[in-house]
Amino acid sequence: AQSVTQPDIHITVSEGASLELRCNYSYGATPYLFWYVQSPGQGLQLLLKYFSGDTLVQGIKGFEAEFKRSQSSFNLRKPSVHWSDAAEYFCAVGSPSSGGYNKLIFGAGTRLAVHP
Amino acid sequence: NAGVTQTPKFRVLKTGQSMTLLCAQDMNHEYMYWYRQDPGMGLRLIHYSVGEGTTAKGEVPDGYNVSRLKKQNFLLGLESAAPSQTSVYFCASSYSANAFPRYFGPGTRLTVL
Repeated sequence: AQSVTQPDIHITVSEGASLELRCNYSYGATPYLFWYVQSPGQGLQLLLKYFSGDTLVQGIKGFEAEFKRSQSSFNLRKPSVHWSDAAEYFCAVGSPSSGGYNKLIFGAGTRLAVHP
Repeated sequence: NAGVTQTPKFRVLKTGQSMTLLCAQDMNHEYMYWYRQDPGMGLRLIHYSVGEGTTAKGEVPDGYNVSRLKKQNFLLGLESAAPSQTSVYFCASSYSANAFPRYFGPGTRLTVL
């Protein structure tokens, strides 16, 4: 069965520090992988996605993620965090479903706090 | 272009009461989805729709009904609310069967007492 694990429930970093959020997935084939961000009081916004090709994916807001098949991971990174990056981050794996839609399985999320 | 909007933003119900959550999108998307988000868990799909007049069950459909009478609107109904339905509900849309949900609404926080 497909699953997504985000090992870190909460992470705190200082503004200007680098960031890496971990995501591990379980899926039988080559997965479609996503990172979403949810700012306080807002809906989810797609940061980036991986379907195929280059395993290093660039997204919005200066984020990037690297797909590592051997480790079943899709970690999200940012070289220098801004206070506005404080939010909850969700990793998801997608696949076609028998219902004719594209299914998303979400991780439980990582809440990021940024210290000034 | 408002994207995906949800009404209401907050609601408190008593056990057994009913209510309807409204999701609207102005992007002419065919596919619409209702998810619930619970603490310590990722979003889970309740129901979805692949077009006007069609709906289908997702992963956690029990206790909910949906309707898609107009392409731009997707309604989620709770006929007899239960405390287990206390959650944050998100609506999402995508433009085709080959697309994954990209646009999510701001959420409705529902508390059932």
